[in-house]
Amino acid sequence: GAVVSQHPSRVICKSGTSVKIECRSLDFQATTMFWYRQFPKKSLMLMATSNEGSKATYEQGVEKDKFLINHASLTLSTLTVTSAHPEDSSFYICSARGGRAYEQYFGPGTRLTVT
Amino acid sequence: GDSVTQMEGPVTLSEEAFLTINCTYTATGYPSLFWYVQYPGEGLQLLLKATKADDKGSNKGFEATYRKETTSFHLEKGSVQVSDSAVYFCALSGTSNTGKLIFGQGTTLQVKP
Repeated sequence: GAVVSQHPSRVICKSGTSVKIECRSLDFQATTMFWYRQFPKKSLMLMATSNEGSKATYEQGVEKDKFLINHASLTLSTLTVTSAHPEDSSFYICSARGGRAYEQYFGPGTRLTVT
Repeated sequence: GDSVTQMEGPVTLSEEAFLTINCTYTATGYPSLFWYVQYPGEGLQLLLKATKADDKGSNKGFEATYRKETTSFHLEKGSVQVSDSAVYFCALSGTSNTGKLIFGQGTTLQVKP
């Protein structure tokens, strides 16, 4: 099946710094990628949708200047958490869609801890 | 707006017990419905799906039937194994074809030997 990778799997950063998370589709071209945030024992919350070569569409309440999303190619999207704060600590998951409609493939997630 | 509600967990069962995880939804039109599974430390994997009313999705012994009249998509398995221990998410994708998924809160299943 289709494989989506994320890097890094875990990252610890200090308050005020920025951290970049990569999401790659390894064996298919992802026309659309999605970024989710998962709180402990909670569901996934969609943050934004990104289409290759265009600006991301953010969900209501998500700060686009804080969570910068770039989808520069059909196999790579990045999420940059700028000026991170402890409340940004979370599990960030990406998914990618390509080919058949409705099929989304999820990455393994990135655990971000801001100290 | 569209939403998904799952039964509260955790669900603890003995091996070979029957499993039901309830899922109901609210949506306009005719959404597609999904069950995803998240094993410890891993990302979500699609378990099964149904795209229209009365469809039954099935995979690895799990089944769910799209019931439009009760707006439900309950997950069932006749005999669970320890390896089924995971978090299960019910989700829907609306009719706009944006690909957006709306997830339920997840139900943790723990199967004991």
